[in-house]
Amino acid sequence: KAGVTQTPRYLIKTRGQQVTLSCSPISGHRSVSWYQQTPGQGLQFLFEYFSETQRNKGNFPGRFSGRQFSNSRSEMNVSTLELGDSALYLCASTRDRGNTGELFFGEGSRLTVL
Amino acid sequence: AQSVTQLDSQVPVFEEAPVELRCNYSSSVSVYLFWYVQYPNQGLQLLLKYLSGSTLVKGINGFEAEFNKSQTSFHLRKPSVHISDTAEYFCALHGPNNNDMRFGAGTRLTVKP
Repeated sequence: KAGVTQTPRYLIKTRGQQVTLSCSPISGHRSVSWYQQTPGQGLQFLFEYFSETQRNKGNFPGRFSGRQFSNSRSEMNVSTLELGDSALYLCASTRDRGNTGELFFGEGSRLTVL
Repeated sequence: AQSVTQLDSQVPVFEEAPVELRCNYSSSVSVYLFWYVQYPNQGLQLLLKYLSGSTLVKGINGFEAEFNKSQTSFHLRKPSVHISDTAEYFCALHGPNNNDMRFGAGTRLTVKP
């Protein structure tokens, strides 16, 4: 069974640009969550999608957005990039609502903003 | 509000020595507790979880953790560590009505030969 797949693994952008990251969850998982990981702030929750609907959102500015498609694949977008957006962006999937919360993580997309 | 505190940011230890990584949590309701491990340039992998029942939970790679409700703790232990255990370890909690996982700041375990 394939794990959570994130693309691209590495990317470099400049300030002011935008970026789109992709996440394919484990087959059968309908919930996808996104996290930002930085050395200073640790793991911070961005948002969670279930059946194409955003169910929960963390405390990030509106420049951070996401969506989920009917096949449960998810994308997140960051517009008007800032230096502080440099981070490892992790995607995780779970089976469905009401579960125990066990997350299955991808390997992440490492974004560097210059 | 629910939160997780990992008491040590870094833990250096020699190979074959025992180790304990400490985690305290705060919650007014019952929670599920987890330990995840992150190796360099990788995502997080589940080590073990406490949902209910026995307070001693065994996980992969010889790790175990004990849920202590009175102390609101969920410390991770291993009796004898290997070089390959060098990684970042995260304690996390998930509430019954939450849709997000709350993570601690992480503990970097470094195993020295």
